[in-house]
Amino acid sequence: QVQLVQSGAEVKKPGASVKVSCKPSGYTFTSHGITWVRQAPGQGLEYVGWIYNGKINHAQRFQGRVTMTTDTSTSTAYMELRGLTSDDTAVYYCARDLYYSVYDWGPGTPVTVSS
Amino acid sequence: QSALTQPASVSGSPGQSITISCTGTTSDVGGSDFVSWHQQQPGKAPKLILYYVTNRPSGVSNRFSGSKSGNTATLTISGLQAEDEADYYCSSYTDINTWVFGGGTKVTVL
Repeated sequence: QVQLVQSGAEVKKPGASVKVSCKPSGYTFTSHGITWVRQAPGQGLEYVGWIYNGKINHAQRFQGRVTMTTDTSTSTAYMELRGLTSDDTAVYYCARDLYYSVYDWGPGTPVTVSS
Repeated sequence: QSALTQPASVSGSPGQSITISCTGTTSDVGGSDFVSWHQQQPGKAPKLILYYVTNRPSGVSNRFSGSKSGNTATLTISGLQAEDEADYYCSSYTDINTWVFGGGTKVTVL
């Protein structure tokens, strides 16, 4: 059974950075990509980016602010977002990619940006 | 990449069928068979219910079905049940190798 475990809730000040981790289990980590999606309070889902075998893609609006990495030794994926503003307050989800779909979702990591 | 267009809300009575549309462009929905649908219950993470336009993951009810014509994909929920009350999001793989999501549709069971 595929499961994705994410790091806990974060509270950050404007201008700071946040790094969210995602540790999948139940499949071979290097066989599938990881997609990151966020959801602001009361809003819809927003694509952040994906990473697979060293290839990275992210939404244009996060250009220069987001870094996605994987650690194959620990089968963990990371998403770091820099220069946080209140608009970045959201739940950040990681998910396994399969069949060109966001297939298995993690539980989400709430990130609050507040002074 | 602009968000896909979905109706804000759809409602129906138990047992009825409802449809939710998802309109994009030739860069996403119209040019891709990689359209999927996700259900999100209040306070929970989304859950995939359809991929490749019409395919259901294991364990998803066959009351959920999908189709696509041109730039518009459609989710149909037949035999509507109280447990179907949730937000539904479409998504599509795009021609620039990203995903784009719809704005979401709130389904209410009357």
